[in-house]
Amino acid sequence: DAGITQSPRHKVTETGTPVTLRCHQTENHRYMYWYRQDPGHGLRLIHYSYGVKDTDKGEVSDGYSVSRSKTEDFLLTLESATSSQTSVYFCAISDIREGTEQFFGPGTRLTVL
Amino acid sequence: AQRVTQPEKLLSVFKGAPVELKCNYSYSGSPELFWYVQYSRQRLQLLLRHISRESIKGFTADLNKGETSFHLKKPFAQEEDSAMYYCAAQGRGSYIPTFGRGTSLIVHP
Repeated sequence: DAGITQSPRHKVTETGTPVTLRCHQTENHRYMYWYRQDPGHGLRLIHYSYGVKDTDKGEVSDGYSVSRSKTEDFLLTLESATSSQTSVYFCAISDIREGTEQFFGPGTRLTVL
Repeated sequence: AQRVTQPEKLLSVFKGAPVELKCNYSYSGSPELFWYVQYSRQRLQLLLRHISRESIKGFTADLNKGETSFHLKKPFAQEEDSAMYYCAAQGRGSYIPTFGRGTSLIVHP
């Protein structure tokens, strides 16, 4: 597996609380992504980053924000979690040196009660 | 609009039967196409991509530009092939893929 870790791996929280998920890579890949995986919807892109401090919105960005202050870390924040954000969140990385394929992290299962 | 369609949510076959997971795309230009696989409780990983024209774990995928399809095939399914399969397309020079909704393949003994 590529050097991608996610923390926490599991989290249960309550509606209205802030939540931050962390993605950490040791591959020095330029691009980083956050997806959510839901039954019937597959993988949907939330936000992505194309460099330090360079981020952009994906398909389902409402209610989420991201930050990338270092090449290796990409944080996903739910400012005020809602039950509709209960999902499995995957981080991914890619870089031109590895072609255009994406390498995925192990996922974070988030439950918002 | 860029779109990847996997028409089957679930595909159920018996061991030894042929398998075809369908993928159709609607994309401007000539996108790069991929199949990713997610085994139970594991991370997604690349299975194959159309530019490499390789066979991985007995799977092949043929790009049909006329039908804008990239179906994944295996002549004889094995139980260990049971997994979620995602088709993805990516514009040339882009690093933002579009994923299909996935097909769950179940191979019965």
